[in-house]
Amino acid sequence: EVQLVESGGGLVQPGGSLRLSCAASGFTFSSYWMSWVRQAPGKGLEWVASMNQDGSEKYYVDSVKGRFTISRDNAKNSVYLQMNSLRADDTAVYYCATDTCGCWSSDYWGQGTLVTVSS
Amino acid sequence: DIVMTQTPLSSPVTLGQPASISCRSSQSLVHSDGNTYLSWLQQRPGQPPRLLIYKISYRFSGVPDRFSGSGAGTDFTLRISRVEAEDVGVYYCMQATQFPLTFGGGTKVEIK
Repeated sequence: EVQLVESGGGLVQPGGSLRLSCAASGFTFSSYWMSWVRQAPGKGLEWVASMNQDGSEKYYVDSVKGRFTISRDNAKNSVYLQMNSLRADDTAVYYCATDTCGCWSSDYWGQGTLVTVSS
Repeated sequence: DIVMTQTPLSSPVTLGQPASISCRSSQSLVHSDGNTYLSWLQQRPGQPPRLLIYKISYRFSGVPDRFSGSGAGTDFTLRISRVEAEDVGVYYCMQATQFPLTFGGGTKVEIK
């Protein structure tokens, strides 16, 4: 069974940093793209970042470029999101997701981890 | 960036009746490889999103056949042939033809 479990969320002050982790199991992690998608409270979905299997390709939404970094450790079946210079509008549930079906979408999602940026 | 526009914002539907959601993109979603990477996701209350349809019309594994997708170019539609109580939630279209990936604003399906 495919499982994605996010961790690392919490309350952080504006300008602070957090590192989110997503532990994957039930599939060959190293073979698939991984993504982070966020959802602000009561709002819609926003794609944040994606990376390919070996980390040679990384893409970000403009609003996080230069502040967030996606990375992965295929030996640990984990993907990460390092978030620096956090702002109030980064407050959201952060989901990690993958595309194991070659659908060019996300067929498996974690339950999400809440990041709250507030003083 | 490709802007995805969904209509309606909300769709009250009677159980057993059909529902239809429209999604329009600001530019063609046809990829250079000839495929169109438009998908539909469902988000039930308190749950993460769930993939329903990919590449316009392919139903993902386990998705009931009352869900169908259609369209081409910049105009796409998700149809539910007979709405059931478990279909309540917010539906999103998403394009993956080019980065940044973008979602529509969402359509809330609720029972009348």
